[in-house]
Amino acid sequence: AQTVTQSQPEMSVQEAETVTLSCTYDTSESDYYLFWYKQPPSRQMILVIRQEAYKQQNATENRFSVNFQKAAKSFSLKISDSQLGDAAMYFCAYRSPGQNFVFGPGTRLSVLP
Amino acid sequence: DTAVSQTPKYLVTQMGNDKSIKCEQNLGHDTMYWYKQDSKKFLKIMFSYNNKELIINETVPNRFSPKSPDKAHLNLHINSLELGDSAVYFCASSKQGNSNQPQHFGDGTRLSIL
Repeated sequence: AQTVTQSQPEMSVQEAETVTLSCTYDTSESDYYLFWYKQPPSRQMILVIRQEAYKQQNATENRFSVNFQKAAKSFSLKISDSQLGDAAMYFCAYRSPGQNFVFGPGTRLSVLP
Repeated sequence: DTAVSQTPKYLVTQMGNDKSIKCEQNLGHDTMYWYKQDSKKFLKIMFSYNNKELIINETVPNRFSPKSPDKAHLNLHINSLELGDSAVYFCASSKQGNSNQPQHFGDGTRLSIL
């Protein structure tokens, strides 16, 4: 079965600085998709960024980018110019065709003013 | 124009009661889900359902049952509520055939058992 691991239960970053959240996954599939979701205190689950495994180019969305290392099965999220509104739980998720999503345990990010 | 809406947002009830949480999506998705998020924020899938197949996480007690009157709705019924059922329950939907499509989540229902 596929598993997703987020080894950092908590992280903190100074406002305007850069932080990287790690995610690794275990799969025998070659075709799959990876996602990062953000859950602020309001508890909404918000999609931050997604990556298709067949694409070598790392996905970027404004201040959010990923470092996708397929051979290492690693999918880290980099947040640049951190803002107070970035404080949230961040969940890494994996999905292969025809299968349900598998979520990691989450990383709680604090942004210090 | 909410994409996935679930009601109520908060539910406080006594142990032993039966309750329901409603979920509706207007995205035209063919698959809907229920997740339980515990106090440690871990997301556990309970059910996934499309018009063809209901997949149940085998660890979910049979006191929990999904009911889908149509493709746009997946309600969650819980019988004989227990203290351990206290959690936030999320409804979500997606297009099953397109694996690159994300799940869209409702805002969650915080269930508190007294």
